[in-house]
Amino acid sequence: EILLTQSPATLSLSPGDSATLSCRASQSVSRFVAWYQQRPGQAPRLLIYDTSNRATGIPARFSGSGSETDFTLTISSLEAEDFAVYFCQQRSNWPLTFGGGTKVEIK
Amino acid sequence: EVRLLESGGALVQPGGSLRLSCVASGLDYTRYAMTWVRQAPGKGLEWVSSISGSGSGTYYADSVKGRFTISRDNSRDTLFLQMNDLRAEDTAIYYCAKGLNYAGMVYFFDSWGQGTLVTVSS
Repeated sequence: EILLTQSPATLSLSPGDSATLSCRASQSVSRFVAWYQQRPGQAPRLLIYDTSNRATGIPARFSGSGSETDFTLTISSLEAEDFAVYFCQQRSNWPLTFGGGTKVEIK
Repeated sequence: EVRLLESGGALVQPGGSLRLSCVASGLDYTRYAMTWVRQAPGKGLEWVSSISGSGSGTYYADSVKGRFTISRDNSRDTLFLQMNDLRAEDTAIYYCAKGLNYAGMVYFFDSWGQGTLVTVSS
């Protein structure tokens, strides 16, 4: 099973700041990583797939990068609705796995 | 607009069974793999099971293998999860999710239902 480790667990930032979230895989997943956002009481929402492709309707302030074992989600200028929990997921191997999440909170 | 509507969650005793359903609308259903993902209270996301568009391919997390069965009825655009021998650790919100399709079925999920709560407790 591929383990995905997200860091930091919590990121305390202000609106307008840039956020950098990390996802590290226990073995290579090529570029088969996605990022999801989950707001309280809501289902997850797909932001980025295959490392760097924005899903339909996702603003350009969200971007993804990386390869093999190290991946990054960047939010260029945080808006109020971006304060949420973010999960990465790999589809390189079964079983599919998710990271433990990074909470982006208001400082 | 794609809509996914889950149902079937309930309070059940350990060792009991439940069948979850997820009705889809707004999509060409057979083109997409479907998946169940669960989330225990206050915890992260856990992949449970996936099924290909035709239903010929099924995949399970080790934690549910042998106890849960995923299936789909493409004539009714409906996904199912039969859960047997339920345990306290199965307590979670269960989401159904639709996979992407580009160059084939892709197991990233761009549409999610609102979830249905399964509580296993005596």
